[in-house]
Amino acid sequence: AQSVTQLGSHVSVSEGALVLLRCNYSSSVPPYLFWYVQYPNQGLQLLLKYTTGATLVKGINGFEAEFKKSETSFHLTKPSAHMSDAAEYFCAVRAGANAGKSTFGDGTTLTVKP
Amino acid sequence: DAGITQSPRHKVTETGTPVTLRCHQTENHRYMYWYRQDPGHGLRLIHYSYGVKDTDKGEVSDGYSVSRSKTEDFLLTLESATSSQTSVYFCAISALSGGVEQYFGPGTRLTVT
Repeated sequence: AQSVTQLGSHVSVSEGALVLLRCNYSSSVPPYLFWYVQYPNQGLQLLLKYTTGATLVKGINGFEAEFKKSETSFHLTKPSAHMSDAAEYFCAVRAGANAGKSTFGDGTTLTVKP
Repeated sequence: DAGITQSPRHKVTETGTPVTLRCHQTENHRYMYWYRQDPGHGLRLIHYSYGVKDTDKGEVSDGYSVSRSKTEDFLLTLESATSSQTSVYFCAISALSGGVEQYFGPGTRLTVT
């Protein structure tokens, strides 16, 4: 079984401030981990993913995440928030390549204040 | 952008009527998924398919059925719509191997009155 917990359903930061969105997972096998972003009235888009190898992964729009096995975490960060980062962010876990499905967290809405 | 379309994009229907949502892909990906998105619940998997005529239930499958007769099409049917099925429905696809990330369609907003 696998599960994802996103800590904080709403996060608010000022423009230019650090963005930190938290994700903890549970998986009985080495996980594949994903962050997706959803802008209003759109489908989800992949931000970044961890499968194997380097534990610090970089994605689009300046975001990055670090896989920490000991902490079962995959937190998403961006050094400097931009107004265009305002969106809903979803963390997801998949039990490896052969698993047919992913489990998504409940999402975190990021607000960026001017 | 991955070639995924959903139809219709918006639908209003009455309680008790059947409704079919269509997902069409042009990527030849093996896996296709139907999710519903509701405030406070994130994305919940309804059904998914791992090949033509091969489907399996997700976490919220009651009241829904699916069919996949061709690689490119995945249909979601609400046999008798209820107000609790008012939601935004997303289709997604993923390849068997490689990136294994999912690509999402634009969504269908369904309202059951």
